[in-house]
Amino acid sequence: GESVGLHLPTLSVQEGDNSIINCAYSNSASDYFIWYKQESGKGPQFIIDIRSNMDKRQGQRVTVLLNKTVKHLSLQIAATQPGDSAVYFCADQGSTLGRLYFGRGTQLTVWP
Amino acid sequence: NAGVTQTPKFQVLKTGQSMTLQCAQDMNHEYMSWYRQDPGMGLRLIHYSVGAGITDQGEVPNGYNVSRSTTEDFPLRLLSAAPSQTSVYFCASSYRAENYEQYFGPGTRLTVT
Repeated sequence: GESVGLHLPTLSVQEGDNSIINCAYSNSASDYFIWYKQESGKGPQFIIDIRSNMDKRQGQRVTVLLNKTVKHLSLQIAATQPGDSAVYFCADQGSTLGRLYFGRGTQLTVWP
Repeated sequence: NAGVTQTPKFQVLKTGQSMTLQCAQDMNHEYMSWYRQDPGMGLRLIHYSVGAGITDQGEVPNGYNVSRSTTEDFPLRLLSAAPSQTSVYFCASSYRAENYEQYFGPGTRLTVT
């Protein structure tokens, strides 16, 4: 079916280190992927997206990598800061227009 | 712009009661959707709309109704609340349905006793 999952439910890093959050998707027809950040008590906030015709996209301190061969997506956060502590979700548009499928999320905790 | 707004922020219902969760956006977005989020889970799509007058079911539509009479508003109706509907509900919108980021509201925390 169309599903998106994350490899690890939790990730702890030290402030200043780089973080890598991984995601696997199952639908090879998926052509649009998004990473969201959700802070406690708030709605998800868009971080970065990538289309299937790209392998890599960079934003401010964040990079998303897409490997279509193994259906894997990753989010890299450079120089992780305490304000990056949140739950991170990947989402996949899948093959049905108008539908986003979310993974379960990875809780990122940044230690000083 | 206010973005996506949701009311109420919190609601407690008794089993069998009905209510409407309100969602509005002022960005002239075509696409709007409702998700529910349960502890330890990602977001699951309930219903969505690709434009005024058009709605469709998502992954978990049972027990919920929607309508889209205007571009701005997309209310979610619980017909007869059940404890299984205790959840946090998020409304989202995007410029179009395809390949555009979705903007989320702050959420409504619903408890059904």
